[in-house]
Amino acid sequence: AQKITQTQPGMFVQEKEAVTLDCTYDTSDPSYGLFWYKQPSSGEMIFLIYQGSYDQQNATEGRYSLNFQKARKSANLVISASQLGDSAMYFCAMREGPSGFQKLVFGTGTRLLVSP
Amino acid sequence: DVKVTQSSRYLVKRTGEKVFLECVQDMDHENMFWYRQDPGLGLRLIYFSYDVKMKEKGDIPEGYSVSREKKERFSLILESASTNQTSMYLCASSLNGRGQPSTDTQYFGPGTRLTVL
Repeated sequence: AQKITQTQPGMFVQEKEAVTLDCTYDTSDPSYGLFWYKQPSSGEMIFLIYQGSYDQQNATEGRYSLNFQKARKSANLVISASQLGDSAMYFCAMREGPSGFQKLVFGTGTRLLVSP
Repeated sequence: DVKVTQSSRYLVKRTGEKVFLECVQDMDHENMFWYRQDPGLGLRLIYFSYDVKMKEKGDIPEGYSVSREKKERFSLILESASTNQTSMYLCASSLNGRGQPSTDTQYFGPGTRLTVL
């Protein structure tokens, strides 16, 4: 079974609108972490936001927020007020187990295109 | 800021050549990782290292080896390059949390696009 599933291969949004990128995960470990990365066409993976499984509140970082629904095992990324520079690939990733020596498992990504 | 650098952005090699991809990080991170990225497959882990001279196989280690002689440097080696190793290679590093909080957030280099002809 896939550990991380991103069902949207591509998404379109108009500038200044909000967009939600879906991510579901599969783990039986009570301690885990969820990450979102952005990859522009230049290729570098840029860390955006992190959510720990025990965090009480949804993570936010500027225009990025993570809609964490533990019971549904989903960790959707919400980008508010989209900008042209948000056009990129977005990857969801998970760390299984307590932090410190863990690998990350990545989804296959969603390509976001922001139009003027 | 965390800085991870990779020796080349673009590389073209011939089948059978030995290829070295170098990665250097300047944040004193213990953990380092090598991934390859192919369209539709996401990132796949090749090898990782938790400490100097230590290495662990990832999900797709076949055809690759690694070297970590110094904490800041992690090298990926293709002993005899083949056309199916044409790909984007990404290096990353993270803190291992010993003595200080860590979330295992990985910080990536700019990537190396390798073409094997």
